[in-house]
Amino acid sequence: GDSVTQMEGPVTLSEEAFLTINCTYTATGYPSLFWYVQYPGEGLQLLLKATKADDKGSNKGFEATYRKETTSFHLEKGSVQVSDSAVYFCALNSGGYQKVTFGTGTKLQVIP
Amino acid sequence: DAGITQSPRYKITETGRQVTLMCHQTWSHSYMFWYRQDLGHGLRLIYYSAAADITDKGEVPDGYVVSRSKTENFPLTLESATRSQTSVYFCASTPGQVTYEQYFGPGTRLTVT
Repeated sequence: GDSVTQMEGPVTLSEEAFLTINCTYTATGYPSLFWYVQYPGEGLQLLLKATKADDKGSNKGFEATYRKETTSFHLEKGSVQVSDSAVYFCALNSGGYQKVTFGTGTKLQVIP
Repeated sequence: DAGITQSPRYKITETGRQVTLMCHQTWSHSYMFWYRQDLGHGLRLIYYSAAADITDKGEVPDGYVVSRSKTENFPLTLESATRSQTSVYFCASTPGQVTYEQYFGPGTRLTVT
């Protein structure tokens, strides 16, 4: 079945540091890939997405590229801020509205 | 307010009690979901629904019941709450177009004593 593997957290960075959160997946066919973010006390919200190989999703300074050859969708940001502190979830949809698989989440803490 | 809302936001109940968590969305999305979020498990799908009167089991349905008589509402009922059902519950919806990205409610934190 489908699966998503994220790097273990928590990840602690200083403000303005470079961020990478690794995500790899196993899926049948050609899934759509997502990053969701969850701020403390809130629900998940879509951060970015990519629907086919080599697509780059981007939003709020975050980027991720759909790499089919390595089955990866790593999240990056060039300069993190304290306000980026949150839990980040990688997810995929392999077809059909119910077939969304989430990773276990990676907590990011950014310190001033 | 537009969007997806959940109520209550916090609930404490006793073992054996019935409790219902409410979910309401204003987008007229066809598809709705219930997840639970627990440390170490991420998000696990409890039930989902493709439309009014169409529901199906997800990964962890035991001990839960859902109904969907109207498109905008998708209540989740714990028929006889157990301590293992202490969790944060999220409702989500999707328009079901192309990529099926989901929109989440703010969550209900349920504690079963």
